[in-house]
Amino acid sequence: GGIITQTPKFLIGQEGQKLTLKCQQNFNHDTMYWYRQDSGKGLRLIYYSITENDLQKGDLSEGYDASREKKSSFSLTVTSAQKNEMAVFLCASSMDVSNERLFFGHGTKLSVL
Amino acid sequence: GDSVTQTEGQVALSEEDFLTIHCNYSASGYPALFWYVQYPGEGPQFLFRASRDKEKGSSRGFEATYDKGTTSFHLRKASVQESDSAVYYCALGSSGSWQLIFGSGTQLTVMP
Repeated sequence: GGIITQTPKFLIGQEGQKLTLKCQQNFNHDTMYWYRQDSGKGLRLIYYSITENDLQKGDLSEGYDASREKKSSFSLTVTSAQKNEMAVFLCASSMDVSNERLFFGHGTKLSVL
Repeated sequence: GDSVTQTEGQVALSEEDFLTIHCNYSASGYPALFWYVQYPGEGPQFLFRASRDKEKGSSRGFEATYDKGTTSFHLRKASVQESDSAVYYCALGSSGSWQLIFGSGTQLTVMP
């Protein structure tokens, strides 16, 4: 088995601040994802990476950057935090891009003051 | 674009009740359909999938049948337990974009 570790678990930021969320997986999976989870809206894809050094935009990429410098890690940057923003960011991985069985981390909960 | 609709935002049942959570989709062709479950404080977990008409997926007593005629993949369980309390997400594999499209989720609460 494997595990996906997201850090930090909780992130409190200020309006306009640049914030970085990190994700590590030890499944040796090729593909990694970042989803945003808002109450009542389900999960929306921000970025995904088919393999190391690849980046693909999801439907919600505006306001975010991502980086996949190693196969095992995928980071997400909120470029300018929005006041009163509150959401959970979920990292996931899959064996490859054609395999739709995703394994998720436990999430990073973001609050912006 | 492709989409998934879950009509129930919340479902409250007693133990041993029968569960149905409705999922309808809009997509061309034969997208793969999925159910994921999310327990409190955790990320979603894969429950099962189906990829062709009339195929049944099942796991842990839950089941759903792919119905292309009604574009549905409703989740059912004959007798729920308190430990089934969680958020359930229906999803589809969007053709041509390598994305999973998730529904808005259904919070299931089972009372002892």
